[in-house]
Amino acid sequence: SQKIEQNSEALNIQEGKTATLTCNYTNYSPAYLQWYRQDPGRGPVFLLLIRENEKEKRKERLKVTFDTTLKQSLFHITASQPADSATYLCALDITLNNAGNMLTFGGGTRLMVKP
Amino acid sequence: DGGITQSPKYLFRKEGQNVTLSCEQNLNHDAMYWYRQDPGQGLRLIYYSQIVNDFQKGDIAEGYSVSREKKESFPLTVTSAQKNPTAFYLCASSPTLWGNTEAFFGQGTRLTVV
Repeated sequence: SQKIEQNSEALNIQEGKTATLTCNYTNYSPAYLQWYRQDPGRGPVFLLLIRENEKEKRKERLKVTFDTTLKQSLFHITASQPADSATYLCALDITLNNAGNMLTFGGGTRLMVKP
Repeated sequence: DGGITQSPKYLFRKEGQNVTLSCEQNLNHDAMYWYRQDPGQGLRLIYYSQIVNDFQKGDIAEGYSVSREKKESFPLTVTSAQKNPTAFYLCASSPTLWGNTEAFFGQGTRLTVV
């Protein structure tokens, strides 16, 4: 079966360091991969989308890589700040019920940035 | 302002009752979705709709029902057949069903069985 894995353990880092979160998937070749941020009690907010033919995408302090051979995406936050503390979800473009492709989400990784 | 609105924010249900969660969007999106999120867990798809008057079951549709009579609205009913309904429910929309567009989420409804 198709599977999307994110580290379920919280990632704790010191302010100013680079946070790296991992999204691994199996049994599928998605054309797109997205990353979202979710704060407690709120809905997820879109951050970045990367296509299968793109190796890397950047937006301000955020960087996403997409390795279709390893079936892995890495999400980096450079110069991290306490305000970056949140849960980060990856989502893959996956075929569902032969009705077309759509997003399926991983379980998310909680990031805690300490001052 | 364009966006997606869920109501109510908090909802309490007695055992055996049906409850309906509202989701409205003014983004002119064709696709709408309902997800369930349990504490410390990811999002699980309940139902999705690609177009008005059409909807499909997701991974955990049992005990839930939806309708899509208008493009803007996609209400979710949690029926008494859902044995463990306490969870955080999220509605989302996107321009199309394809994964090449971002999804916009509402602020969620927290449902508690009392």
